[in-house]
Amino acid sequence: GQNIDQPTEMTATEGAIVQINCTYQTSGFNGLFWYQQHAGEAPTFLSYNVLDGLEEKGRFSSFLSRSKGYSYLLLKELQMKDSASYLCAVMDSNYQLIWGAGTKLIIKP
Amino acid sequence: IAGITQAPTSQILAAGRRMTLRCTQDMRHNAMYWYRQDLGLGLRLIHYSNTAGTTGKGEVPDGYSVSRANTDDFPLTLASAVPSQTSVYFCASSAGQGANSPLHFGNGTRLTVT
Repeated sequence: GQNIDQPTEMTATEGAIVQINCTYQTSGFNGLFWYQQHAGEAPTFLSYNVLDGLEEKGRFSSFLSRSKGYSYLLLKELQMKDSASYLCAVMDSNYQLIWGAGTKLIIKP
Repeated sequence: IAGITQAPTSQILAAGRRMTLRCTQDMRHNAMYWYRQDLGLGLRLIHYSNTAGTTGKGEVPDGYSVSRANTDDFPLTLASAVPSQTSVYFCASSAGQGANSPLHFGNGTRLTVT
């Protein structure tokens, strides 16, 4: 079966750096997405990786290793507003999105 | 402001009742989707539509139906609600079906079936 694994919850300190990992086993691969979802709100798109390597976008970066079935989202200079759930999703060979359960990130002052 | 509008925001529904969740987008996106989100689970696709006039079944379609009469609207109907359909429902759209077409989500409908 297809599976996306990410930690359920992480805690970090304001101003620090945090890395949220995502491992996947899917039928084919057509890209990996990260979304941010604040409590009670809709998910919003953060990043897309289809090739191996690091994609940087401001304070957020996303890394992909297709051979390892692994990605991470790196958040730098953490702010209180970064407290949210981070969803990892992989597009399989049928262009269907497979979603992880999300990682709830708690930022402490 | 361009985006996706869902209605209602929340609803309490008696089991056995029929309910339609509304979804409208003004971005002229071809593809639209209905997901449900439950605690501890990833988003699960209920139904989708790649273009107006066509629909398809997702991972958890039973008990739900959709229609896509035009580009903008994609209503989701629960013919006879059951308590297991208590969930948060998100409508989403994307410009295409390709790998680099991120989803745009509505604000969700929180449905409780009693």
